[in-house]
Amino acid sequence: DAMVIQNPRYQVTQFGKPVTLSCSQTLNHNVMYWYQQKSSQAPKLLFHYYDKDFNNEADTPDNFQSRRPNTSFCFLDIRSPGLGDAAMYLCATLAGVGTDTQYFGPGTRLTVL
Amino acid sequence: GENVEQHPSTLSVQEGDSAVIKCTYSDSASNYFPWYKQELGKGPQLIIDIRSNVGEKKDQRIAVTLNKTAKHFSLHITETQPEDSAVYFCAASQGSSYKLIFGSGTRLLVRP
Repeated sequence: DAMVIQNPRYQVTQFGKPVTLSCSQTLNHNVMYWYQQKSSQAPKLLFHYYDKDFNNEADTPDNFQSRRPNTSFCFLDIRSPGLGDAAMYLCATLAGVGTDTQYFGPGTRLTVL
Repeated sequence: GENVEQHPSTLSVQEGDSAVIKCTYSDSASNYFPWYKQELGKGPQLIIDIRSNVGEKKDQRIAVTLNKTAKHFSLHITETQPEDSAVYFCAASQGSSYKLIFGSGTRLLVRP
């Protein structure tokens, strides 16, 4: 059974049009992560949550925001997508309490026209 | 901060041969080293991991070795099969937030 679910799998938006990607996890873990992965590159951490505490990476652009309404769900909002934001967006969580094993979702492929 | 270097960037082997991918890390405080396999259009899948108190770990055809003194760790795949073809990422982690720092990836091609 899938532990990290991302919707949609593919998202097309227009330049400058806000878009929201969603992630849910069945492990009920208090930590969730959002990564950006551009073509032929490694995943790059954008931010993570520890419960509702939001932790932004220093180089994450202000254009990227996130919401976590409850333990299971997390959203990535891109306020004004540019062509350079086209990428795979990956959500991840930890396997259990006290473990550092991260499980990733299948990702959402974002295209910006 | 932590930096992880991964080599080679591409690796082509004949089916049945072994494949070795190597990573080095810079921060001696890193204590957790996972390896992920990523197939085209999919999310990374954890295939094996090792912690700093262990020197080697094996799971069927896959093994990982860790040399803390030299700060490097390696993935070994024996008896490779075409379905092993994918991009492999190493990573290092430390601290309570368990943030992963990834290597740049290795594209493995197993030729039938």
